[in-house]
Amino acid sequence: QKEVEQDPGPLSVPEGAIVSLNCTYSNSAFQYFMWYRQYSRKGPELLMYTYSSGNKEDGRFTAQVDKSSKYISLFIRDSQPSDSATYLCAMTPQGGSEKLVFGKGTKLTVNP
Amino acid sequence: DTGVSQNPRHKITKRGQNVTFRCDPISEHNRLYWYRQTLGQGPEFLTYFQNEAQLEKSRLLSDRFSAERPKGSFSTLEIQRTEQGDSAMYLCASSLEGRAFFGQGTRLTVV
Repeated sequence: QKEVEQDPGPLSVPEGAIVSLNCTYSNSAFQYFMWYRQYSRKGPELLMYTYSSGNKEDGRFTAQVDKSSKYISLFIRDSQPSDSATYLCAMTPQGGSEKLVFGKGTKLTVNP
Repeated sequence: DTGVSQNPRHKITKRGQNVTFRCDPISEHNRLYWYRQTLGQGPEFLTYFQNEAQLEKSRLLSDRFSAERPKGSFSTLEIQRTEQGDSAMYLCASSLEGRAFFGQGTRLTVV
């Protein structure tokens, strides 16, 4: 079993839909959680960073962490064609140091 | 542009040749990481530096791979005697206060 599991999709939604992306993890030492967006042939771009259970909102994006279930989610409201990308979850045992462990990424397409 | 800069963006090399990639981190960031990403996979950690000290290396980093960060500024990743299995995107990231920011990567193709 990999430390971080993420459904690779692909996921296709109409413009304006609410998108839900999820990751599960097995290592209870993970305390810091991130979501990255990666456009084709580009480097990952940090979208959300959180370290506590609960929700964190930033514009159309909401990151949710449930440490008891070892489950994290990213919600995208009012999705736009420009949101079409691969979304990677990442986590680490401690903030400010150590390696990030990534999921495989979920490829999202938002259709106009 | 004050982001993480990687050069070259693309590199095609013949099997057995040596290649070197460069990463210039965000100037105030003291931690620098190298990752490798293959098609359909998330990035995998290779190694990281705090200032000029290399603090951890992954098992993925065979003895053909070497990384340096002289004077705690830019970093280089060298692959000796390249193999077809080395074909991947090599990503550099720098971090401050736990947030890692990635460069655009160097795409290596070994033919």
